[in-house]
Amino acid sequence: DADVTQTPRNRITKTGKRIMLECSQTKGHDRMYWYRQDPGLGLRLIYYSFDVKDINKGEISDGYSVSRQAQAKFSLSLESAIPNQTALYFCATSLTGINEQFFGPGTRLTVL
Amino acid sequence: GENVEQHPSTLSVQEGDSAVIKCTYSDSASNYFPWYKQELGKGPQLIIDIRSNVGEKKDQRIAVTLNKTAKHFSLHITETQPEDSAVYFCAASIGSGGSNYKLTFGKGTLLTVNP
Repeated sequence: DADVTQTPRNRITKTGKRIMLECSQTKGHDRMYWYRQDPGLGLRLIYYSFDVKDINKGEISDGYSVSRQAQAKFSLSLESAIPNQTALYFCATSLTGINEQFFGPGTRLTVL
Repeated sequence: GENVEQHPSTLSVQEGDSAVIKCTYSDSASNYFPWYKQELGKGPQLIIDIRSNVGEKKDQRIAVTLNKTAKHFSLHITETQPEDSAVYFCAASIGSGGSNYKLTFGKGTLLTVNP
């Protein structure tokens, strides 16, 4: 969905490097999410945020941190990347009271 | 926590045939069950959802059925077309504060519709 953008779309990095993935949305939604997708494992929730001051851990938050800089921006950081963090990362948004989540196009991250 | 099993992992059908994807969930408190479609190179997109107080829901060629007793739900696609080829994910959610924001996804089914 063009209303949810992610940068970069692809990133190759080395073990130990700090990486930031960014998500922006123009949908006016208050809730934002970060998911990780691994082949054969579906999508797993890393962090979610209900507004700028409300950030919560998801199912697999270890090794990740997030920042909600504004209602429209939600960043995911890997402080010290490791190879098993190689995956496809999706940002999603939703509006309070509406269950549908809108996903960005994804960022493919490779950690060597 | 909730666990969602999805079968089959791959499904190949001929154009015009029907396709059925099945999911089971573990937590009887789950009350919202969406299905997402992910096309190649894109993020998942909601195609249909069902709440636990409804047994079946239809939207043109797609339908979802829910059996709360058995804790399973299924996606049915009729008259399949090549553009239906994608990965399909089921999910389950336990409501909190009146909304279902925390989704537990199945592992996905790669559907291929052969012309």
